[in-house]
Amino acid sequence: NAGVTQTPKFQVLKTGQSMTLQCAQDMNHNSMYWYRQDPGMGLRLIYYSASEGTTDKGEVPNGYNVSRLNKREFSLRLESAAPSQTSVYFCASTLRKRLEPALSYEQYFGPGTRLTVT
Amino acid sequence: RKEVEQDPGPFNVPEGATVAFNCTYSNSASQSFFWYRQDCRKEPKLLMSVYSSGNEDGRFTAQLNRASQYISLLIRDSKLSDSATYLCVATGNQAGTALIFGKGTTLSVSS
Repeated sequence: NAGVTQTPKFQVLKTGQSMTLQCAQDMNHNSMYWYRQDPGMGLRLIYYSASEGTTDKGEVPNGYNVSRLNKREFSLRLESAAPSQTSVYFCASTLRKRLEPALSYEQYFGPGTRLTVT
Repeated sequence: RKEVEQDPGPFNVPEGATVAFNCTYSNSASQSFFWYRQDCRKEPKLLMSVYSSGNEDGRFTAQLNRASQYISLLIRDSKLSDSATYLCVATGNQAGTALIFGKGTTLSVSS
């Protein structure tokens, strides 16, 4: 059971190049997420997929697209990279459990992709 | 206003000290709350959920005050290995689909 895996771990792009960050989870979770983390800004949600076949914008979606390929995989694409997209990108998936009286959502993160755009 | 706010610290404490972190959240519809721990250049990991009645896990105690929209984390008998950033987290809406993270509080425990 690998949990949440991400590839690549590191990437350097030139401005205008495109790339896709890959994420997969083997925990049979329905919901998956992409975050970016910048110094002093905390974790910010880019896109999420509540279930297979659905995707929704988060707080900072501009410049990104996503694909929920199947229940396991959720990819993030940068069509034309910009220096402002230099960041650490985390993928996560969520386990929903019932903890009376509310539902609980435990989120599991991948190891991250460190992206630099020059 | 940021939906989840924390004192960024850093908190610098000696081994054995007791330290408390506070957090406020703005969305009264938030249903579930958590503390995550993040080590330098690593992914966040769930430390503990926060229950309405308060809960304890070893040296860690979490409290929730819904009326004041306030969450706390108490660490007793601090260890060097507790040095990390602690993230306060709330569900974003009643469906709880997305989590809202605070920016984190940095703790440094020294010998």
